[in-house]
Amino acid sequence: GENVEQHPSTLSVQEGDSAVIKCTYSDSASNYFPWYKQELGKGPQLIIDIRSNVGEKKDQRIAVTLNKTAKHFSLHITETQPEDSAVYFCAASYGSGNTGKLIFGQGTTLQVKP
Amino acid sequence: DAGITQSPRHKVTETGTPVTLRCHQTENHRYMYWYRQDPGHGLRLIHYSYGVKDTDKGEVSDGYSVSRSKTEDFLLTLESATSSQTSVYFCAISESIGYTFGSGTRLTVV
Repeated sequence: GENVEQHPSTLSVQEGDSAVIKCTYSDSASNYFPWYKQELGKGPQLIIDIRSNVGEKKDQRIAVTLNKTAKHFSLHITETQPEDSAVYFCAASYGSGNTGKLIFGQGTTLQVKP
Repeated sequence: DAGITQSPRHKVTETGTPVTLRCHQTENHRYMYWYRQDPGHGLRLIHYSYGVKDTDKGEVSDGYSVSRSKTEDFLLTLESATSSQTSVYFCAISESIGYTFGSGTRLTVV
């Protein structure tokens, strides 16, 4: 079945360094790849997304890259700050029709040390 | 989380009892989803709805049922709760792509 693998499961960086989280997906029909940030006790929040017809997208300190041939996509956070500490999830669309179903990776706990 | 609320926020229940979780939205979005979140598994889809009275199963639907009698409400029912259903449950809404998640319900089955 459809699957999304996410690595690493935990990531610790110094404030100001960059952080990279990688995901691979199995469904070649997937065409939408969002990233969510989840803070303690809250629901996940969308931080950036990318469609399959785009190779890279940036929003201030956050960027996402997509390699459709290799079926992997990555989240890049530059100049990390303590408030970036959270759990990050990647996801990929799956299923026929426009049901909007997403399959999620296992999550990455990012710790940014001051 | 503006536009989407889940109730209750926390619940402890006994094995074998029925439990219903509620998701309410004010955004008039077509799609609604129930996910469960467990350590090491990320978020897994239980059931989803693409309109009033239109629902379908997700990847972990066994032991769960849903109902959507109004656009704004999506109910998740555990007919007979088991310890394996101890989890954090999230509702999400979507109009086309991109989810808005609720704040979650932490359910403990003892």
